[in-house]
Parts: sequence; C-alpha cells; structure tokens
Amino acid sequence: EDQVTQSPEALRLQEGESSSLNCSYTVSGLRGLFWYRQDPGKGPEFLFTLYSAGEEKEKERLKATLTKKESFLHITAPKPEDSATYLCAVRSYGGSQGNLIFGKGTKLSVKP
Amino acid sequence: DSGVTQTPKHLITATGQRVTLRCSPRSGDLSVYWYQQSLDQGLQFLIQYYNGEERAKGNILERFSAQQFPDLHSELNLSSLELGDSALYFCASSDGTGGDTEKLFFGSGTQLSVL
Repeated sequence: EDQVTQSPEALRLQEGESSSLNCSYTVSGLRGLFWYRQDPGKGPEFLFTLYSAGEEKEKERLKATLTKKESFLHITAPKPEDSATYLCAVRSYGGSQGNLIFGKGTKLSVKP
Repeated sequence: DSGVTQTPKHLITATGQRVTLRCSPRSGDLSVYWYQQSLDQGLQFLIQYYNGEERAKGNILERFSAQQFPDLHSELNLSSLELGDSALYFCASSDGTGGDTEKLFFGSGTQLSVL
C-alpha cells in the first residue's frame, strides 16, 4: 500500500531562519512526487512535481529535492507570507490507480 | 484562483440528512476528483470521474455517491449523514490524460458540519 509520511507536523520559524520539511514515501513504483501549499480555508495550490531521484526544482524561497525514499522542501530565509500547510503527495504505478496519495502535511508558521 | 468552482462554501445539517455538493471543473478539464479532508486523516481520495464515467474509486463510503454530468460538472451526494462525516470536501480537476505530468487543481472546498 502506498504511504506518505510528513515531518514535522508543525514548524515554527523566525523570519529569515531557513529550514527543511521532510516527506518520506513508500510506493510500488513512483510516477511523480508533488508538493502543494494550502492556506487556511482554501484548497491546495500546486508548487512542484519531481519525477526521479536527484531532481531539484526551485520557486522563489522554496527548493524541492527528491531521493529514492524521501523528498525535502527547503525554505530559505522565509517570510511571514510563507506561513501555510505544505502537503506532499505521490502518484504511483500501484494500488492507488494513479491518483494522488497525500501526507498529512506540515504546518509552517513564520514569525516576523 | 484555480478555476475550479465549488458550492456551497459552507453547509450545516443534521445527522441522518442528505446533502449535495457541486463542482465545476476548470475550462477544458475532463477529469474531476473528490477528496475529503479531516484533521486526523488528512486529504483522502474518494472518487474520480473522467468525461462522465467513473474512473477510480478510493475510500468512499457506500452512503456517498457521485456523478459527472454531460457539461462536466460533478456532484457528490452524501446521505444518512453522521457526525463523523463533518469535514472539508474538495473537488479537483485535471486534463485527465493520466500522464505522469498530470496536475490536479483544487477548488476552495465545502465545509460540511453535521450536528
């Protein structure tokens, strides 16, 4: 069964304090790993897709990386507007029928 | 704005009742997905439709059903509601090609409260 585990559940940072969020996955053949951002009362918003180990993608202060077992979302010099819940999801060749299986998310708070 | 429209935004009802949630996908998207989000379970896949046909089923209860209409909008019907059904229900859409690059675009959700 495909599984996605995110850690930590919650992370508090001071503005400018860089850190990383972790997404560990167990799948029967990875087709893609997705990162989404979710603000309170809103739906998840797409950030990145990674497909193979060693791949990296960047967007402003965010950089996502992928290994064979996990993905990291690095946040460099975060600002208060980066506060949100970050969701990781996988699409596999296995029992999830190609649909996205989500982790429970990491709630990030950035204080000024 | 993702282009996916969900109505209503909030719904308050009583146990045993039946409700209908509505979703209009992004223009051009043929596939619609329904997800349930609760505090302890996270986002759980319920069901997917592609161009009017059911394509995949996830953790959807027998009390729940969905359909996609010829104009591609979708409805999720929840019946015999229980307190535990209280959650955020999201609709997402995609082009439905099923390729590895296929991305899901989510609506703002319907917050269901069962009292």
